[in-house]
Amino acid sequence: GAGVSQSPSNKVTEKGKDVELRCDPISGHTALYWYRQSLGQGLEFLIYFQGNSAPDKSGLPSDRFSAERTGGSVSTLTIQRTQQEDSAVYLCASTQGGPSSNQPQHFGDGTRLSIL
Amino acid sequence: SQKIEQNSEALNIQEGKTATLTCNYTNYSPAYLQWYRQDPGRGPVFLLLIRENEKEKRKERLKVTFDTTLKQSLFHITASQPADSATYLCAHMNRDDKIIFGKGTRLHILP
Repeated sequence: GAGVSQSPSNKVTEKGKDVELRCDPISGHTALYWYRQSLGQGLEFLIYFQGNSAPDKSGLPSDRFSAERTGGSVSTLTIQRTQQEDSAVYLCASTQGGPSSNQPQHFGDGTRLSIL
Repeated sequence: SQKIEQNSEALNIQEGKTATLTCNYTNYSPAYLQWYRQDPGRGPVFLLLIRENEKEKRKERLKVTFDTTLKQSLFHITASQPADSATYLCAHMNRDDKIIFGKGTRLHILP
């Protein structure tokens, strides 16, 4: 597609359930980033992929969070045993090159996750 | 730690005037800074990138400056319009190749 696509756009789930968030980057973009944005807060870096590899996983808040990317394209962010503090907007972005390439990030509109 | 700070208070500007937003960074000298616009319920949209060897960058009514001595970037919108109302984010890549964003400044252009 023309832009970064994320699904679902909204997700409401009960505490303790697992959720899976999906990101479809711009075709041909090798780098893919996941961020979390809580109300009134800035973007919190979670993880980035170069191709299918994740050189930097340091931003993942806990071992309940994991992400994968297959075929150098679609990525999924999985949160296991969700907690209320996981409620936030999860944003995905992609770029043609990695962080050092100075390329602008192209963002999707995010998944708004609400944990009851 | 490397920080990037923006004025967290909302900025109210009268239509037609110039809006100026500030981005300060500490403990690091980034090779570039980026500015993004974010509307409610949407992802950020890239506006401008300025490199450390550039003093100023322009795009239509937008102007960005980069002062490596003050460790500051200023973002200007001239002849502001109500449609310019949004949250504006600055970002840079830190020494660990991680993109860091400021919390953003909410701009309201008053008709």
